[in-house]
Amino acid sequence: DVKVTQSSRYLVKRTGEKVFLECVQDMDHENMFWYRQDPGLGLRLIYFSYDVKMKEKGDIPEGYSVSREKKERFSLILESASTNQTSMYLCASSKGPLYYEQYFGPGTRLTVT
Amino acid sequence: SQQGEEDPQALSIQEGENATMNCSYKTSINNLQWYRQNSGRGLVHLILIRSNEREKHSGRLRVTLDTSKKSSSLLITASRAADTASYFCATDGYNFNKFYFGSGTKLNVKP
Repeated sequence: DVKVTQSSRYLVKRTGEKVFLECVQDMDHENMFWYRQDPGLGLRLIYFSYDVKMKEKGDIPEGYSVSREKKERFSLILESASTNQTSMYLCASSKGPLYYEQYFGPGTRLTVT
Repeated sequence: SQQGEEDPQALSIQEGENATMNCSYKTSINNLQWYRQNSGRGLVHLILIRSNEREKHSGRLRVTLDTSKKSSSLLITASRAADTASYFCATDGYNFNKFYFGSGTKLNVKP
């Protein structure tokens, strides 16, 4: 079974802190995604990566950056956390082009105070 | 926005009844997927239907797709309390790598 793990289930950070959210998948998937989920807004794509060191902006990339140095690991970085980045963050992976099924991690609930 | 929109936002039924949820989207697609999310957890893939398919079954799930109306429906037959979850549709909007999720239908199945 594909397993996608996220570094923390719950995280509390202060405004202005730099925050790292880590995601690891164990099935050699090419594509990896970061979403945020907010009530009434569904899942919104922040960034995705289709190969090591490759990344593409999603719908709401402002205030975020990503890093993919190894195929199995995709990191989301909040350069200077703000209260409006309080949210549930979900990482997902998929096998590659033309393989559409996404496998999700359990999510990280981030609170910025 | 290419986001799918689910309808209704919430649905409450008794165990054994059927549950139907709908998804509408705005642009042409290659495929449409349905996912389930149990409270506070990640999403789990349920079923994928391609743009050239009209109906697909998987166990107690039946998905239909009407590309002329840009809509899809998910039917769960003989629902169980364990089906209580939020259900999301996801469309690719003709970009193979990007997916657009709606805000979901929250299903409550009462025992």
